[in-house]
Amino acid sequence: KAGVTQTPRYLIKTRGQQVTLSCSPISGHRSVSWYQQTPGQGLQFLFEYFSETQRNKGNFPGRFSGRQFSNSRSEMNVSTLELGDSALYLCASSLGGIAETQYFGPGTRLLVL
Amino acid sequence: GENVEQHPSTLSVQEGDSAVIKCTYSDSASNYFPWYEQELGKRPQLIIDIRSNVGEKKDQRIAVTLNKTAKHFSLHITETQPEDSAVYFCAASRTSGTYKYIFGTGTRLKVLA
Repeated sequence: KAGVTQTPRYLIKTRGQQVTLSCSPISGHRSVSWYQQTPGQGLQFLFEYFSETQRNKGNFPGRFSGRQFSNSRSEMNVSTLELGDSALYLCASSLGGIAETQYFGPGTRLLVL
Repeated sequence: GENVEQHPSTLSVQEGDSAVIKCTYSDSASNYFPWYEQELGKRPQLIIDIRSNVGEKKDQRIAVTLNKTAKHFSLHITETQPEDSAVYFCAASRTSGTYKYIFGTGTRLKVLA
């Protein structure tokens, strides 16, 4: 099976802009989670989607949002970008049961100038 | 809120020695504990996991132990090799209630040849 894919892989934006990242899960996986990874903070949970519904959300401001489509592909949107949003954004997919193994994508590296 | 503490943040060992990384979790409902390895510039990859109905699990040079009473679990790597150098993340999750998947802050392991 193909692994988790993310597009784009690299992105440069300026403050105030908005950005949309995409994640395609492993075929058959219905859960997609998003994480922000920074050198000082490790992996911070953003939100998780299952069957087009957000099941849980981490402690991030409302500028961070997401959605999931009927084919389980997910998008994450960040509006009004700030310098501190520069990070590696990882998505991970799993079959869908809670506490199942997550498989990560390669990430999208976002740089905000 | 729930968290996972991971120690040490950096660890240097000589090739052939053992490495031990410890994690402590706060959510007593956690019952799934995966470990991920992330090489520089790559995605996190699952290396081993354990569920709360067992106390230890081994896979070749890697083992994980779980102490549910004390709410901590550890990763043991024996006969370390330079290619084991990476960042290792622990995580805790649960199979009931609100979806939760909490990661530790990571341990940078350096294996010196």
